[in-house]
Amino acid sequence: KNEVEQSPQNLTAQEGEFITINCSYSVGISALHWLQQHPGGGIVSLFMLSSGKKKHGRLIATINIQEKHSSLHITASHPRDSAVYICAVWIIQGAQKLVFGQGTRLTINP
Amino acid sequence: KAGVTQTPRYLIKTRGQQVTLSCSPISGHRSVSWYQQTPGQGLQFLFEYFSETQRNKGNFPGRFSGRQFSNSRSEMNVSTLELGDSALYLCASSLGPGQGRSAFFGQGTRLTVV
Repeated sequence: KNEVEQSPQNLTAQEGEFITINCSYSVGISALHWLQQHPGGGIVSLFMLSSGKKKHGRLIATINIQEKHSSLHITASHPRDSAVYICAVWIIQGAQKLVFGQGTRLTINP
Repeated sequence: KAGVTQTPRYLIKTRGQQVTLSCSPISGHRSVSWYQQTPGQGLQFLFEYFSETQRNKGNFPGRFSGRQFSNSRSEMNVSTLELGDSALYLCASSLGPGQGRSAFFGQGTRLTVV
């Protein structure tokens, strides 16, 4: 079992819909990142969370440390939000290392 | 402020050769980390450097190595290339090491081993 699991793996929605992507992890972490990767490979770091909730524009990220779960929400989704969204966690097990989820491919249709 | 710059963007090498990739971090950032992305394995952490010292390392063989210079620029070297090393190699820079510091990614170097 992967240490970081994302769901869904693929998500297609219509423009304007509210989007939720989930990330669950099974180990102790010090922080969690949400990343966005567009075709061509460029990655943008959206959020870094260690507790609570953060908001940036139409994006909201939450984390529940006790439940080992994080969600990324997109309000009023737009075709330009189409990308792969990746959850990554800093694991606290001996030497710290960054472990990634497999990514969620989001497609927003106009 | 210039972003993270990786060179070259694309590279084709032959099995058995070695390759060196370069990453110039954002000015003022002293931490550089490297990642490998393949269709089968997704993104995997290679290593992280801070102040010219390797601080963290992922589960990769010794053929993968790196270093960081006093100006924070970092290089990654892969020796004795294998077909499976074909991947997108990404680097990210941040102000300090690990523990969830906000990271800024480069565009990556796409390596193809033939």
